Amino acid sequence: KNEVEQSPQNLTAQEGEFITINCSYSVGISALHWLQQHPGGGIVSLFMLSSGKKKHGRLIATINIQEKHSSLHITASHPRDSAVYICAVSIIQGAQKLVFGQGTRLTINP
Amino acid sequence: DVKVTQSSRYLVKRTGEKVFLECVQDMDHENMFWYRQDPGLGLRLIYFSYDVKMKEKGDIPEGYSVSREKKERFSLILESASTNQTSMYLCASSPPLGLNYNEQFFGPGTRLTVL
Repeated sequence: KNEVEQSPQNLTAQEGEFITINCSYSVGISALHWLQQHPGGGIVSLFMLSSGKKKHGRLIATINIQEKHSSLHITASHPRDSAVYICAVSIIQGAQKLVFGQGTRLTINP
Repeated sequence: DVKVTQSSRYLVKRTGEKVFLECVQDMDHENMFWYRQDPGLGLRLIYFSYDVKMKEKGDIPEGYSVSREKKERFSLILESASTNQTSMYLCASSPPLGLNYNEQFFGPGTRLTVL
């Protein structure tokens, strides 16, 4: 079993829909990261959080440390949001390294 | 602006060739990482380095070696390329550990095909 599990693996939605991507982890962490990867490869960091909630534009990330669960929400989704979204955690031992989920491929149709 | 560059976006090599993938960062970061990314498997750590001339094995180091002679440059070497090393290779860097966690900055990736 992977230490970081994401769901769903693939998600297709219509423009304007509210999107939720989930991430569960089984290890002790010091932080959780949400990353975005567009076709072509480059990965950018969207959020890094260790508690509560963060918001950036139409993106919201939440984390529940007790339940070892995080969600990434996209409001008013747009075709340009189509990408792979990756959850990763900084584990308490060896915090310089990240442990990655398998990613969620999101497709937003116009 | 933070910048991590990789020497090639696309590379095609033949089985048995020695392959060098170069990564350069301009942020004076101590930590550098090499990952490979495969469908269904996500990103997997090959090697990382936390200082010049220092290196540690990641989760899948077999068939790879690394070199870090200068702080800004981290090279991944495939001593004898094989078809199962066809993959997307991503380099990343991060500053020293702060507050027990840190953000990694990724390069654009190199898609390597071994024929």
